[in-house]
Amino acid sequence: GAVVSQHPSRVICKSGTSVKIECRSLDFQATTMFWYRQFPKKSLMLMATSNEGSKATYEQGVEKDKFLINHASLTLSTLTVTSAHPEDSSFYICSARDMLGQSNTEAFFGQGTRLTVV
Amino acid sequence: AQSVSQHNHHVILSEAASLELGCNYSYGGTVNLFWYVQYPGQHLQLLLKYFSGDPLVKGIKGFEAEFIKSKFSFNLRKPSVQWSDTAEYFCAVNGGSSYKLIFGSGTRLLVRP
Repeated sequence: GAVVSQHPSRVICKSGTSVKIECRSLDFQATTMFWYRQFPKKSLMLMATSNEGSKATYEQGVEKDKFLINHASLTLSTLTVTSAHPEDSSFYICSARDMLGQSNTEAFFGQGTRLTVV
Repeated sequence: AQSVSQHNHHVILSEAASLELGCNYSYGGTVNLFWYVQYPGQHLQLLLKYFSGDPLVKGIKGFEAEFIKSKFSFNLRKPSVQWSDTAEYFCAVNGGSSYKLIFGSGTRLLVRP
């Protein structure tokens, strides 16, 4: 199956600093990638939809200035958590679908990034 | 708005027991339904999916799910679980032509040897 690589898998940063998380589709082109946040013992919450070459679409309640998303190419999307605070500590997961796929195609997931803000 | 409910948050079974995990969704139109599994320390993997056709869908590792439109349900089943099935299971749905996957809260399955 298609592979989505997410990096880093774990990061610890100080409050006030910014952290960038990368999501790459390794063997297919993804016009659309998704960023999720997974809270402990809870489901994956969709944060935003990342579209190649255009602005991301954020879900209600997600601060676009805090969670900057860039999708500069068909194989790479980045999520930058700006001015991180301890409450931003979480597990962030990206997902991608093949650009030739329709809405009923499988989504492939990255390994996730465990962010800890101290 | 779309939503997905998984009623079993934690399930503990012995090996060889049968499994059924509930999933209900709310959406008025055509839906695509998925079950994903997350083994400890690993990323989400697709177990099975339903788009159209036969409502009984067979997936990997002996799992199957049945789409019952009248009940807005897509329950996951396995006749005989193994210790290696210990994982967290997520039901997900996207409606119509939407690309957005909405996930249920997940069910943690522990299979005792």
